[in-house]
Amino acid sequence: AQSVTQLGSHVSVSEGALVLLRCNYSSSVPPYLFWYVQYPNQGLQLLLKYTSAATLVKGINGFEAEFKKSETSFHLTKPSAHMSDAAEYFCAVSGLSGSARQLTFGSGTQLTVLP
Amino acid sequence: DGGITQSPKYLFRKEGQNVTLSCEQNLNHDAMYWYRQDPGQGLRLIYYSQIVNDFQKGDIAEGYSVSREKKESFPLTVTSAQKNPTAFYLCASRNDRDHNEQFFGPGTRLTVL
Repeated sequence: AQSVTQLGSHVSVSEGALVLLRCNYSSSVPPYLFWYVQYPNQGLQLLLKYTSAATLVKGINGFEAEFKKSETSFHLTKPSAHMSDAAEYFCAVSGLSGSARQLTFGSGTQLTVLP
Repeated sequence: DGGITQSPKYLFRKEGQNVTLSCEQNLNHDAMYWYRQDPGQGLRLIYYSQIVNDFQKGDIAEGYSVSREKKESFPLTVTSAQKNPTAFYLCASRNDRDHNEQFFGPGTRLTVL
């Protein structure tokens, strides 16, 4: 079984400040890990994904995430927040085969960027 | 451009009516999914299909039905048995050739009056 925990359902940062969104996963097999972003009334868009090629993954819009196996974490960061980053962010985990290929999502973190 | 389309974007129905949400993809993906999203909640899986003519219930299938007659299409019917159908519905497909990444449609917001 696999699961995802996102710590903090709401995170507020000032414009220009560091963004840190936390994600911890549980998986019985080496996972694939994903971060998605959702703007109001839109579908989910992939920010980045970990596929075992490199532990530090760079994505779109200046976001990156680091896979830490020892901590079972995949936290999302961005050095300097922009107003346009305000959105909901979802972490997800997938296994390699069979029913585990489905994505299991965290409950989401709403990011507010303050001027 | 390849992608997933959902229609309509907004849908209003009277209580007790069945309604069908459309989902089409031209990505040549085998697996497709339907999720429900309520305010402040994550995504909950309604139904999924791994291949044409086959589908399985997800976590909240009661009051919903699907069909998968074509690879490109995976329509969702919200029946009158669904007690609280007002929600945002998302369709997705899975790329088995790229680490199970799921691609999402723009969503349909269903409001039952």
